[in-house]
Amino acid sequence: NAGVTQTPKFRILKIGQSMTLQCAQDMNHNYMYWYRQDPGMGLKLIYYSVGAGITDKGEVPNGYNVSRSTTEYFPLRLELAAPSQTSVYFCASSYLGGNYGYTFGSGTRLTVV
Amino acid sequence: AQRVTQPEKLLSVFKGAPVELKCNYSYSGSPELFWYVQYSRQRLQLLLRHISRESIKGFTADLNKGETSFHLKKPFAQEEDSAMYYCALSDQTGANNLFFGTGTRLTVIP
Repeated sequence: NAGVTQTPKFRILKIGQSMTLQCAQDMNHNYMYWYRQDPGMGLKLIYYSVGAGITDKGEVPNGYNVSRSTTEYFPLRLELAAPSQTSVYFCASSYLGGNYGYTFGSGTRLTVV
Repeated sequence: AQRVTQPEKLLSVFKGAPVELKCNYSYSGSPELFWYVQYSRQRLQLLLRHISRESIKGFTADLNKGETSFHLKKPFAQEEDSAMYYCALSDQTGANNLFFGTGTRLTVIP
């Protein structure tokens, strides 16, 4: 039981490049989330999903896209990377939503130069 | 709009001393609050939830609606308590998304 797996752990992107951050969970959780954490700041919600085929925007969705074709996977797509997207990205999942606790991935540290 | 404030970025206490990590919130409804912890080189994990009224690793947190606070307390700090602590609030919508504070780094001095 691996929990929530994020890849890659580190990545450096050039301005204007695109990439996909991968997130997979093997706990059959319905809810999945993407957060970003800037230095000295709290985690901010980018996108979330309450089940396969259903996604919705969080606080800071601009510059990102997500898809949820299966329960297990919830990739985050960055199009046209900008320095403002330099951050640590966390994927999380939950069986019944935030009131029952999140299981977090180990994070992806992204630098855009 | 909901907001979670952790006024202390850094907190140092001596081993065996009491510790209190402050959390204040702003929310128009009835809040559900949480404490998450991240130990060195580990993932962020749930420490305790207000709704379950539990005590984990000797930590407790009481919701004070009058002062809109949810401070985390432990009577005797241990070195293994050194970590980053985040207070979080559920937005109580269908997905119960969590809003996080900026975190407090606790260092327990031997």
